Amino acid sequence: DVKVTQSSRYLVKRTGEKVFLECVQDMDHENMFWYRQDPGLGLRLIYFSYDVKMKEKGDIPEGYSVSREKKERFSLILESASTNQTSMYLCATRQGAYEQYFGPGTRLTVT
Amino acid sequence: GQQLNQSPQSMFIQEGEDVSMNCTSSSIFNTWLWYKQDPGEGPVLLIALYKAGELTSNGRLTAQFGITRKDSFLNISASIPSDVGIYFCAAYNFGNEKLTFGTGTRLTIIP
Repeated sequence: DVKVTQSSRYLVKRTGEKVFLECVQDMDHENMFWYRQDPGLGLRLIYFSYDVKMKEKGDIPEGYSVSREKKERFSLILESASTNQTSMYLCATRQGAYEQYFGPGTRLTVT
Repeated sequence: GQQLNQSPQSMFIQEGEDVSMNCTSSSIFNTWLWYKQDPGEGPVLLIALYKAGELTSNGRLTAQFGITRKDSFLNISASIPSDVGIYFCAAYNFGNEKLTFGTGTRLTIIP
């Protein structure tokens, strides 16, 4: 079974803090993704990576950056957290043209 | 970004009833995926479809990849309480890393 883990299930941060969200997968998949999910807006792609040290902007990259130093790990960074970044963050992984698997999510609250 | 049209938006059914939902697109896709998401959790992959006309089952769940490649259907037979949740369709084309998501169907079982 594919396993995608995220570093925290719940996180509370203050405005202006730097926030790191980590995602680890155990299936040697090439592609990894970060989404945010908000009521009424559905799933929106922030960034994705198709290889180590490679990254591509998704639909809403502003205010975020990513890092992929190892194949199994993909980090999402909020350089200076703001209240409008309060959301559910979901990591996902996929090998080639096959199924995409999601992690359990991190519920981030920025106060 | 583009979203898939998913219907119905919500369903209220009694335990034991069968459920049908569908997803349509104005574009052709090579792959269709169906997910279920419980509150506060990440989406869980239910079924993946790779071939137009394909019918695939996973227990009480059956999904079909429409022959036009612009739609897909999910059926749940003999619903049980643990079927409650939000069901998403998603689709993509080979060579395009981004998934396009449906708007979700919220399933509620009335006691």
